[in-house]
Amino acid sequence: GIQVEQSPPDLILQEGANSTLRCNFSDSVNNLQWFHQNPWGQLINLFYIPSGTKQNGRLSATTVATERYSLLYISSSQTTDSGVYFCAVEPGSGAGSYQLTFGKGTKLSVIP
Amino acid sequence: NAGVTQTPKFQVLKTGQSMTLQCAQDMNHEYMSWYRQDPGMGLRLIHYSVGAGITDQGEVPNGYNVSRSTTEDFPLRLLSAAPSQTSVYFCASTRLLGGFPYEQYFGPGTRLTVT
Repeated sequence: GIQVEQSPPDLILQEGANSTLRCNFSDSVNNLQWFHQNPWGQLINLFYIPSGTKQNGRLSATTVATERYSLLYISSSQTTDSGVYFCAVEPGSGAGSYQLTFGKGTKLSVIP
Repeated sequence: NAGVTQTPKFQVLKTGQSMTLQCAQDMNHEYMSWYRQDPGMGLRLIHYSVGAGITDQGEVPNGYNVSRSTTEDFPLRLLSAAPSQTSVYFCASTRLLGGFPYEQYFGPGTRLTVT
């Protein structure tokens, strides 16, 4: 099946710093999403981004489908950004498989 | 609009017991799914459904059953609990766009311990 690798596995930032999280995937995808899991376990959808660039406040994401990677940018980080960031992909370039495969996540800790 | 709800929040079972994890959504989404999350493993898909009466297996289906009699509900049944099923279980509801899964919304999770 498709492989999803996220880097770095752990990241510690000072509040106010910027960061870039990376997601590499091994095959073409119909769907790519970024999620944030907060320290209480809740999973929140950040972006649906199988290609192109999107921005939402201090967060933005870029997916280069032809090179099989996606980047999540966090600017001016805040302590509330702490948690685990997951990339998830649906493989295939034709009919949907309906199966999302998750990476192992990047654990972000933002310290005051 | 409650989104995706799951019950119970916590459960302890003995090996061999059976139970049902409940999941409901009020967003009228056709696509629903169950994941388990283990430390260091990310989320893995157990079963999914693309509509009432239609279910299919994900990556790790063994030991679990599902059914989908209504659009709103998608229960997950553990047939005979094993310690390897100790995990956090998440239900998700997904809006389709052009027939493909689009934005996915997760429930708060059920923490299950099997002793």
